[in-house]
Amino acid sequence: DIQMTQSPSTLSAPVGDRVTITCRASQSINNYLAWYQQKPGKAPKLLIYKASTLETGVPSRFTGSGSGTEFTLTITAVQPDDFATYYCQQYNDYSWAFGQGTKLEIK
Amino acid sequence: DVQLVESGGGLVQPGGSLRLSCVASGFTFSNFAMNWVRQAPGKGLEWVSTIRNSGGTTYSADSVKGRFTISRDNSENTLYLQMNDLRGEDTAVYYCAKTFGGGGYCSIGGSCYSAFDIWGQGTMVTVSS
Repeated sequence: DIQMTQSPSTLSAPVGDRVTITCRASQSINNYLAWYQQKPGKAPKLLIYKASTLETGVPSRFTGSGSGTEFTLTITAVQPDDFATYYCQQYNDYSWAFGQGTKLEIK
Repeated sequence: DVQLVESGGGLVQPGGSLRLSCVASGFTFSNFAMNWVRQAPGKGLEWVSTIRNSGGTTYSADSVKGRFTISRDNSENTLYLQMNDLRGEDTAVYYCAKTFGGGGYCSIGGSCYSAFDIWGQGTMVTVSS
């Protein structure tokens, strides 16, 4: 099974900062990598798929990059609405797995 | 509006069974693979199971294999999760989720798999005596 490792687990940043979350896969996943945002008590929301393609309606301050086994989610100029938990997910080769999550907190 | 509405959660004793349902609306249900994802209280997301658009072919996490069965009724636009031999570690909010129509890959049989773009509100399952 493919394991997904996210870092850091928690991230504190002031509004306006640039933040980066990293996700590593235990083997190559052909860029079949998605990022989700989840707020307390709510379902996850798809932000990025295929490692770097922004879902319709998602602000352009969210950027996905990476390939092979290492991927990043970057938020340029974090906004108050962005404080939430973020998950990566691989969906390669008929298997699916989420990272453990990164909680983005206000500093 | 595209919508998924789960139901069927509740309190069940260890070793018991429960069937979750997810009714879809606003899209052509039979065109998309569907999924179940769960989240234990205060924990992260865990993929549970996936079924191809026409049914038949399914995939499940090792943690539920042999106990949970995903199925669908395309005539009723409904996804199911039959959960047997429930354990305390199955306590979680269970979400159904639609497979996104792009950014993925397709099997020889024509069923496509990708990220999850539409999620239900979730239904809580509590396994406790």
